[in-house]
Amino acid sequence: GEDVEQSLFLSVREGDSSVINCTYTDSSSTYLYWYKQEPGAGLQLLTYIFSNMDMKQDQRLTVLLNKKDKHLSLRIADTQTGDSAIYFCAAPPGNTDKLIFGTGTRLQVFP
Amino acid sequence: DTGVSQDPRHKITKRGQNVTFRCDPISEHNRLYWYRQTLGQGPEFLTYFQNEAQLEKSRLLSDRFSAERPKGSFSTLEIQRTEQGDSAMYLCASSRSGSEQFFGPGTRLTVL
Repeated sequence: GEDVEQSLFLSVREGDSSVINCTYTDSSSTYLYWYKQEPGAGLQLLTYIFSNMDMKQDQRLTVLLNKKDKHLSLRIADTQTGDSAIYFCAAPPGNTDKLIFGTGTRLQVFP
Repeated sequence: DTGVSQDPRHKITKRGQNVTFRCDPISEHNRLYWYRQTLGQGPEFLTYFQNEAQLEKSRLLSDRFSAERPKGSFSTLEIQRTEQGDSAMYLCASSRSGSEQFFGPGTRLTVL
């Protein structure tokens, strides 16, 4: 089945760019998603990319997809303290819509 | 337009008691999903509905768990004879078929 992996922590200075990485195993995933979770809250959909795209940009967010290596990344430009949260990569395996999540990357932004 | 809502937001119960959670999806979303999230982990899929039909259940969903969506709108998740291992955040999400899932704020369950 689908397995999604992420690094656990990332610490950046305010104003720098953050890059959060994710690898997945099921090459038939049609969409790949990034969610943000703040303490004690539900998940907020940040962005997603269709599997036949290489890149998607949405304001400060850039998603890069390397389908050959099954590698997904989320770049946040001009990172702010309000970006401090846990970021989850998620992929639906095969032809289902259920999401398989990584363990999340905790992003800490310091002034 | 309101998002996905869940009730209650927090529930504390004693081991062995039954609990029921409710989820109200975004209107006109025909799919509704339940996930469970334990501390330090990503959400794990439990089950999902298309309209009133329950289409898939995870092996995580033991026979103590039951979910319903009787009229294809709100859904309930019941846990019978709760155990301490059931303590988690229970998340509900909804979507149109084949589209992105939007999550509610979750119900945090603590089993003493």
